[in-house]
Amino acid sequence: DIQMTQSPSVLSASVGDRVTLSCKASQNINKNLDWYQQKLGEAPKLLIYFTNNLQTGIPSRFSGSGSGTDYTLTISSLQPEDVATYFCFQYNSGWTFGGGTKLELK
Amino acid sequence: QVQLQQSGAELAKPGSSVKISCKASGYTFTSYDISWIKQTTGQGLEYIGYINTGSGGTYYNEKFKGKATLTVDKSSSTAFMQLSSLTPEDTAVYYCAGGMVPDVMDAWGQGASVTVSS
Repeated sequence: DIQMTQSPSVLSASVGDRVTLSCKASQNINKNLDWYQQKLGEAPKLLIYFTNNLQTGIPSRFSGSGSGTDYTLTISSLQPEDVATYFCFQYNSGWTFGGGTKLELK
Repeated sequence: QVQLQQSGAELAKPGSSVKISCKASGYTFTSYDISWIKQTTGQGLEYIGYINTGSGGTYYNEKFKGKATLTVDKSSSTAFMQLSSLTPEDTAVYYCAGGMVPDVMDAWGQGASVTVSS
C-alpha cells in the first residue's frame, strides 16, 4: 500500500503569507494526486487535480506542483477564508489520503 | 448545479447493517462515477471504493471488501452503500462524492453519520 505523509500537521501563518504544504508518497505516484480542502463541519472540496490542475472556481492563489514522490500545495497569499485542513489524495495505485495539514491564522 | 444529497444519521447495533443513500441532481446521473469515503477522527479519510453509475461496475479498496457494498438505482439517480457486520470501528461520517473520473471528486454529499453502539 502507498502511504501518504503530509507535513507539517499544523501550520500557523499570517494573512498575506505565502504558504507551502507538503505531501510525500512512499513510492512514485506519477503525479496521480489531488488536493482537497476541508473547512470545519463541511465536506471536503476539490482544489487541485492531477498535481497541478486548478479546479474550476478555485482562486488562482492556490497552485500545485510536484513529481515522483514529492508534492506541494502552495497558497500565494493566505486569506482568512483559507483556514481549513488540507488533504492530499493519491490514486496511482489503490487510493490513499494523507493525514492532513491543519492551517491556522497566526 | 451538481448536488449530492445523502440520507440522515444512523444509529445501529453491532452486527447489524445500514444502507446510506446519495441522491444526485443537476446533471446526467450516469456521467459521474460515485465514490464513497469514510472519515473518522482517528483514521482521517479513507477511500472505500467507487461505482460506475452507467455499468454498475464496482471497485473497492481492499480494506473494505466484504464490509461495503455499492449499488445504484438509475431510475432515481441514487447511489447506495450498505455496510454490513457493523462494529464500533465503523462509527464514522461517510461521504459520497462524484466526478467524471472516480479519482477526481468534484462534488460531495454533506456526509452521513453512522454510530455503532449497543
